[in-house]
Amino acid sequence: DAMVIQNPRYQVTQFGKPVTLSCSQTLNHNVMYWYQQKSSQAPKLLFHYYDKDFNNEADTPDNFQSRRPNTSFCFLDIRSPGLGDAAMYLCATGTPVGGTQYFGPGTRLLVL
Amino acid sequence: GDSVTQMEGPVTLSEEAFLTINCTYTATGYPSLFWYVQYPGEGLQLLLKATKADDKGSNKGFEATYRKETTSFHLEKGSVQVSDSAVYFCALSDLSGANSKLTFGKGITLSVRP
Repeated sequence: DAMVIQNPRYQVTQFGKPVTLSCSQTLNHNVMYWYQQKSSQAPKLLFHYYDKDFNNEADTPDNFQSRRPNTSFCFLDIRSPGLGDAAMYLCATGTPVGGTQYFGPGTRLLVL
Repeated sequence: GDSVTQMEGPVTLSEEAFLTINCTYTATGYPSLFWYVQYPGEGLQLLLKATKADDKGSNKGFEATYRKETTSFHLEKGSVQVSDSAVYFCALSDLSGANSKLTFGKGITLSVRP
């Protein structure tokens, strides 16, 4: 089945220690998105790629970076995680037309 | 800018009760409208969608109709089950740019009692 995969499902890191979350897709979609979701809140878009074009949201902290080496994979790098970065991180994919986004299961990040 | 407003929650119902979750939107163009469901500890799953006025999306017994005149997309189900307990997000898609973004409502938690 075509899908969006996120690894790991749970990630524990230490305050200030860089961490990378990964996302892969078999849907062959042009667009990949990264969201941050805190408890009892809606997902908040951090950035997205349209093919290799990177689009950062205006209020995304510089601490968050992303890489997309090819169509299938996209990474979220948190350079110096703070306690406030503990959250669920959701990857999604989509096409430029239509608007539907398909989400992965998420990675829950815990910062100690 | 675009926005989505969902009714305040949480909502608690008994099994087999009728469900309505209200959603209204503000948008400058002609957005597509979505309902996503999130089960505990999971990502968002697309529940249903509608892409133009008067379209009805439906899935798993849930329905919602795109009402342009009232800018609404209310979610309904005739008989809820315990397994429907989850968080429900209404969203719209801004198609004005080269690639689309979703604007979400705040979400509402539904709990269904046996």
